[in-house]
Amino acid sequence: QVTLRESGPALVKPTQTLKLTCTFSGFSFNTGDMCVSWIRQPPGKALEWLALIDWDGDKYYSASLKSRLTVSRDTSKNEVVLTMSDMDPADTATFYCARMYASGTYSYYFDYWGQGIQVTVSS
Amino acid sequence: SYELTQPPSVSVPPRQTASITCSGDKLGTLYVSWYQQKPGQSPVLVIYHDDERPSGIPERFSGSNSGGTATLTISGAQAMDDGIYYCQAWDSSTVLLGGGTTLTVL
Repeated sequence: QVTLRESGPALVKPTQTLKLTCTFSGFSFNTGDMCVSWIRQPPGKALEWLALIDWDGDKYYSASLKSRLTVSRDTSKNEVVLTMSDMDPADTATFYCARMYASGTYSYYFDYWGQGIQVTVSS
Repeated sequence: SYELTQPPSVSVPPRQTASITCSGDKLGTLYVSWYQQKPGQSPVLVIYHDDERPSGIPERFSGSNSGGTATLTISGAQAMDDGIYYCQAWDSSTVLLGGGTTLTVL
């Protein structure tokens, strides 16, 4: 059974750095074809992809947010960490981690999602 | 940046067919997935690889992708199919997401 769970602060202040952890079970990076990705959703708005780390440890970022994002992993703990610097009230959102399955070179899709964590940016 | 475009909303009477489109210049060369999201819940994968259904997704959900448009079709839509639907593709090491379409079965 595949599960993912996001954890981190519910409230951060402007200019602070957000650190979120995705703890997963039921799969591992060792099997290949598995990635873990971060997606956010501001209240009432659309999903926005942020970052991805794949089975080889390669990292990919949204072009518009790349300068503020860092994704890393701890394979021994089955954890993926996202940091987002210089937080602003406009970054208030629900943050999701999701497993992304790479079915061949061009077919990548999110097959399992975490429940999401609400993060508010306010002083 | 490359974008996927969806209509903001689609309405359909119960038991009729709902079609939600996703357009992009080279979408026909990419594989498209679709997600359903209900209020307060995480998205759920309903179609992947253009036209494949994950286990547990009803047969009334189907997908197609041709030219610059991918389409999610819900045949015999039910009230439980209400929600926001997002299309997604992978291109040049980037995840592309559509802006979402609110489906109302009414």
